[in-house]
Amino acid sequence: NAGVTQTPKFQVLKTGQSMTLQCAQDMNHNSMYWYRQDPGMGLRLIYYSASEGTTDKGEVPNGYNVSRLNKREFSLRLESAAPSQTSVYFCASSDRPFGTEAFFGQGTRLTVV
Amino acid sequence: SQKIEQNSEALNIQEGKTATLTCNYTNYSPAYLQWYRQDPGRGPVFLLLIRENEKEKRKERLKVTFDTTLKQSLFHITASQPADSATYLCALPTRALNNAGNMLTFGGGTRLMVKP
Repeated sequence: NAGVTQTPKFQVLKTGQSMTLQCAQDMNHNSMYWYRQDPGMGLRLIYYSASEGTTDKGEVPNGYNVSRLNKREFSLRLESAAPSQTSVYFCASSDRPFGTEAFFGQGTRLTVV
Repeated sequence: SQKIEQNSEALNIQEGKTATLTCNYTNYSPAYLQWYRQDPGRGPVFLLLIRENEKEKRKERLKVTFDTTLKQSLFHITASQPADSATYLCALPTRALNNAGNMLTFGGGTRLMVKP
């Protein structure tokens, strides 16, 4: 039982390059999320998908786009990477809305130079 | 939006003692509050959820209290062990415009170091 799987685990990009972070969950969860974690800032929500077919902005959406490809997969795209997007990115999923635990992936450490 | 405060300074305690971590929040009262554990280089792992109508919740050596008057949750680890060393995060539901999804706002976390 893999849970939430993120790829890649590490990535170095040059400023202006684009890339897509992949996330898949095998728990049949309805909701999926992308967070970024920076020292001293904690986890901040970038985008979320409450259910298949819907996506909404979180706290820090600028510079990112997402796609809920199907119930299992939720990808995060950086169209033109900037050094300010250097961070650790976590994908998470949960079952019902509200009051349920979130399951997190192992994270993607992204460095933009 | 909800603001969550956790002690950013590391908490150092001796093995066998009880560790107590604090989570304070402002603004609206949440329907529930969650605690997560995060080890270096790993994603957060869910530990406990406590609802607004519950004063206390226990799981093995863990105990969480929730005081909606003080807007505070306390997280206790009794008989602490070096393996309990990690960062502990509290999280509350984020109030969304459409109230959809289990979105969480996280505190910055408190690092716990248990010395043998």
